[in-house]
Amino acid sequence: GAGVSQSPSNKVTEKGKDVELRCDPISGHTALYWYRQSLGQGLEFLIYFQGNSAPDKSGLPSDRFSAERTGGSVSTLTIQRTQQEDSAVYLCASSLAGSSYNEQFFGPGTRLTVL
Amino acid sequence: GIQVEQSPPDLILQEGANSTLRCNFSDSVNNLQWFHQNPWGQLINLFYIPSGTKQNGRLSATTVATERYSLLYISSSQTTDSGVYFCAVQYSGNTPLVFGKGTRLSVIA
Repeated sequence: GAGVSQSPSNKVTEKGKDVELRCDPISGHTALYWYRQSLGQGLEFLIYFQGNSAPDKSGLPSDRFSAERTGGSVSTLTIQRTQQEDSAVYLCASSLAGSSYNEQFFGPGTRLTVL
Repeated sequence: GIQVEQSPPDLILQEGANSTLRCNFSDSVNNLQWFHQNPWGQLINLFYIPSGTKQNGRLSATTVATERYSLLYISSSQTTDSGVYFCAVQYSGNTPLVFGKGTRLSVIA
């Protein structure tokens, strides 16, 4: 079946503008994760959703970042008033939840550049 | 939180050579995954291996959970094996993965 998809693949924006990044998880996967990969920072967790539970937002770097997941499927990560330090590749992953098998599969990412 | 350390950080190989990449983690885990990040940035799943040994073609992996390490073996390396290899662990349930800093592999023809 189809893997995790993300859009757009690239986004260039000006400092201070808001951006929205989209993730479509693998069909049937109830757990969805957002990560960020920055130069010199490695891969870091941002937020995750599991089923209908409240999301774990512990990795969000500031209150300019938020995410929602509609209908238990598609997720949108929103960054308000973007800053240059937000430039990074934003990766989404999904996995089956509620089982002992919880392999995560990643999308191709959205490369965000803030000028 | 849990710490993940990978070694070596960089590795240069001649095509056809074998290599071993190591991942140490600081606490017990219920999931460990190895990924290959290709030059386009895509994370490719190599192994889901919380314990034991698995093989897939020229690649194999072993995780010794009681000693908190995992090894990734690449045999008869090819130029297409170049890229960054990441180890990532999950300490419980469906919690987020914690990644190591990766091993950057360059295979030269």
